[in-house]
Amino acid sequence: DAKTTQPPSMDCAEGRAANLPCNHSTISGNEYVYWYRQIHSQGPQYIIHGLKNNETNEMASLIITEDRKSSTLILPHATLRDTAVYYCIAPPDGVVADSWGKLQFGAGTQVVVTP
Amino acid sequence: GAVVSQHPSWVICKSGTSVKIECRSLDFQATTMFWYRQFPKQSLMLMATSNEGSKATYEQGVEKDKFLINHASLTLSTLTVTSAHPEDSSFYICSPTGGAEKELFFGPGTRLTVL
Repeated sequence: DAKTTQPPSMDCAEGRAANLPCNHSTISGNEYVYWYRQIHSQGPQYIIHGLKNNETNEMASLIITEDRKSSTLILPHATLRDTAVYYCIAPPDGVVADSWGKLQFGAGTQVVVTP
Repeated sequence: GAVVSQHPSWVICKSGTSVKIECRSLDFQATTMFWYRQFPKQSLMLMATSNEGSKATYEQGVEKDKFLINHASLTLSTLTVTSAHPEDSSFYICSPTGGAEKELFFGPGTRLTVL
């Protein structure tokens, strides 16, 4: 996997946008960037993934820089339920599940949304 | 997203006993299953990978005779912690994949406490 670097923690006011950065300067051309979050005592929840283009779904937006060395996850209107640890992961390239599916979780970013 | 269940959600057992954790993929066929564990205040660590009908492969430092994995069907995998000890107390999470999708999903986790 490409090594990813995230800030250890971030506070965000409820209703405001939360911008979570991730550095993945060693990412290779075919490695996707995935974002997951883990609410306390629950399994990780898939948020979004992307390769080169920016992506948006009902949960978040993913902005990937042109050189693909970093990305930003945007939660447009943070709620208290968004308090969680957010993981940015770049699994190894490959179409075989038992290779690329092994996710190496770093420490992630602890996001605390406050009223 | 895919529906993944784990049973039990939590278990407390005495030292020396064995505990079986089930992971089911309810709406797709899981050809590959990843098992992770998470100690308090730490990130997820991959324990083993299993393909349906094959023996599991274990990550370095994970005892294969202690953590028995059975992946006999495409919808069910089990992890048995044999002769559990207090140091095995952890949060165990499964992640099934069919190999085709790019979104990896996780079970809700099983909290194991060994007294």
